[in-house]
Amino acid sequence: GNSVTQMEGPVTLSEEAFLTINCTYTATGYPSLFWYVQYPGEGLQLLLKATKADDKGSNKGFEATYRKETTSFHLEKGSVQVSDSAVYFCALTTNDYKLSFGAGTTVTVRA
Amino acid sequence: KAGVTQTPRYLIKTRGQQVTLSCSPISGHRSVSWYQQTPGQGLQFLFEYFSETQRNKGNFPGRFSGRQFSNSRSEMNVSTLELGDSALYLCASSLEALGSGNTIYFGEGSWLTVV
Repeated sequence: GNSVTQMEGPVTLSEEAFLTINCTYTATGYPSLFWYVQYPGEGLQLLLKATKADDKGSNKGFEATYRKETTSFHLEKGSVQVSDSAVYFCALTTNDYKLSFGAGTTVTVRA
Repeated sequence: KAGVTQTPRYLIKTRGQQVTLSCSPISGHRSVSWYQQTPGQGLQFLFEYFSETQRNKGNFPGRFSGRQFSNSRSEMNVSTLELGDSALYLCASSLEALGSGNTIYFGEGSWLTVV
């Protein structure tokens, strides 16, 4: 079956530091890939997505590139802020009508 | 445009009772999916409905069920509640079925506590 593996953290950074969260996947077919963010006590917000190989998703300074050859979709941000403190989830869908998530990575940014 | 709306937001139930959670998708969306989030198990897929048909179901016991109405609104039901069912239940909607590449939007969730 499909699966997503992401670094679990927690990750603690200082403001303006560079953030990378690794995400790799196993899937049959051609998955669509997503990054979601969850702030304390809230639901999930879509951060970015990519639906085919070599697509780059970007939003709010975050970027991720769909790499079919390495089955990866790593999330990056060049300069984090305290407001980026949250839990980040990598996820995928294929034609099995299911959304599969990674375990989530807790990110804390210190001022 | 209204987002995905889940009700109730918070509820407390007793072991052995049943619960029904409701989800109103974004207008025009035909796919509704449900997820359970717990600290130990993370985010787990429960089921997906598209045009009133269940397309897939996750690895949950038969106590977990759902349905979708002709207006795309969905309900999920958990019978004979157990302490381990305490969780945040999230609903999501998208224009087309999961796997189409459409953006999937989530509601704020329903917090269920079983005592």
